[in-house]
Amino acid sequence: GNSVTQMEGPVTLSEEAFLTINCTYTATGYPSLFWYVQYPGEGLQLLLKATKADDKGSNKGFEATYRKETTSFHLEKGSVQVSDSAVYFCALTHSGGYNKLIFGAGTRLAVHP
Amino acid sequence: DSGVTQTPKHLITATGQRVTLRCSPRSGDLSVYWYQQSLDQGLQFLIHYYNGEERAKGNILERFSAQQFPDLHSELNLSSLELGDSALYFCASSAGTGSQETQYFGPGTRLLVL
Repeated sequence: GNSVTQMEGPVTLSEEAFLTINCTYTATGYPSLFWYVQYPGEGLQLLLKATKADDKGSNKGFEATYRKETTSFHLEKGSVQVSDSAVYFCALTHSGGYNKLIFGAGTRLAVHP
Repeated sequence: DSGVTQTPKHLITATGQRVTLRCSPRSGDLSVYWYQQSLDQGLQFLIHYYNGEERAKGNILERFSAQQFPDLHSELNLSSLELGDSALYFCASSAGTGSQETQYFGPGTRLLVL
């Protein structure tokens, strides 16, 4: 079946460090890929998305490239801030899946000053 | 602010009871989705409505039901509640039914069953 696997957290970084959160997926056909972020006590916010192979999604300094050959959608940011501390979810939908989002387990990021 | 509203924010109830969670989608969105977030299961899709009609069911228990009304708001009804139903319940909305569309999430309803 379709699934998303994320690296386990927590990820702890110092401010201005480089961030990578790995995400790989299993899906039939051509899924759309998403990164959502959940700040403490809040709902999920879309961070970025990519809908076809080799697309790069980017927002607020974060970026991720849809790699079909490696079935990956790794999230990166060049310089993290304390305010980036949150839980990050990788997710997919695909056209045969009735548009439901299939989420990874989430990766908690803690950034220290 | 995503434009999706959910009420109530918190709900505390007892086992065996029934509760109703309410969701108003973003203006113009016809699709409403319900998700459950729990520590052991993570984020799980429950059900999808489009313009008043059920489109897809996920891991939704028979004790749970939902509907979408003509004004497009949706309600999720949870009955015969068990301790394991304690979770965060999110509603999301999107314009239509395309798999490339962004789903916008509400702030969630935190349900605690005692």
